[in-house]
Amino acid sequence: GENVEQHPSTLSVQEGDSAVIKCTYSDSASNYFPWYKQELGKGPQLIIDIRSNVGEKKDQRIAVTLNKTAKHFSLHITETQPEDSAVYFCAASSSSGGYNKLIFGAGTRLAVHP
Amino acid sequence: GAGVSQTPSNKVTEKGKYVELRCDPISGHTALYWYRQSLGQGPEFLIYFQGTGAADDSGLPNDRFFAVRPEGSVSTLKIQRTERGDSAVYLCASSGGLAGGLDTQYFGPGTRLTVL
Repeated sequence: GENVEQHPSTLSVQEGDSAVIKCTYSDSASNYFPWYKQELGKGPQLIIDIRSNVGEKKDQRIAVTLNKTAKHFSLHITETQPEDSAVYFCAASSSSGGYNKLIFGAGTRLAVHP
Repeated sequence: GAGVSQTPSNKVTEKGKYVELRCDPISGHTALYWYRQSLGQGPEFLIYFQGTGAADDSGLPNDRFFAVRPEGSVSTLKIQRTERGDSAVYLCASSGGLAGGLDTQYFGPGTRLTVL
């Protein structure tokens, strides 16, 4: 089955710097790659997603890139702010079953220091 | 509009007891998922409902776990004879259930289950 690995497990940056989180997946049939942000005591919240028919997607300070050949995708956050501090999860899924069974990475704890 | 809600937010029980965890999906969402999140880990898939039927229950750890969605809306995750290893946050997510399946899942806040 699908396996998703995520690195780094923790990331500390200064406010205004960029942060990059990387994930690799194993199932070549995977075609949907969302990123979720989880704050303490809350459920995961989708921040951006990408489908396999595109290589990059951007939404303001957040961008995601996908390399299907290498089976890896990355989250890029520019101009980080203290409120970006949270745990970030990547996930992968295949729609071959007609539904969205997400396989998550182990998460990256991002700390943005003022 | 209202998001996914889960009750209770916290549940403390004793080993061997039975518990029920409830999920209210976003109104009109036909797809409903349960995940389990252990401390320091990402969510792990448990079960998927499309409408009233459990289309994929391959993630349920064993037969002590069962889930229902009798009217295609609210879902209940049931755990019998709880064990300390069942302690985790149980997350529910719903989506519109679009054809092809690659629609956004919206998560609830979770129920933190602690088995003493």
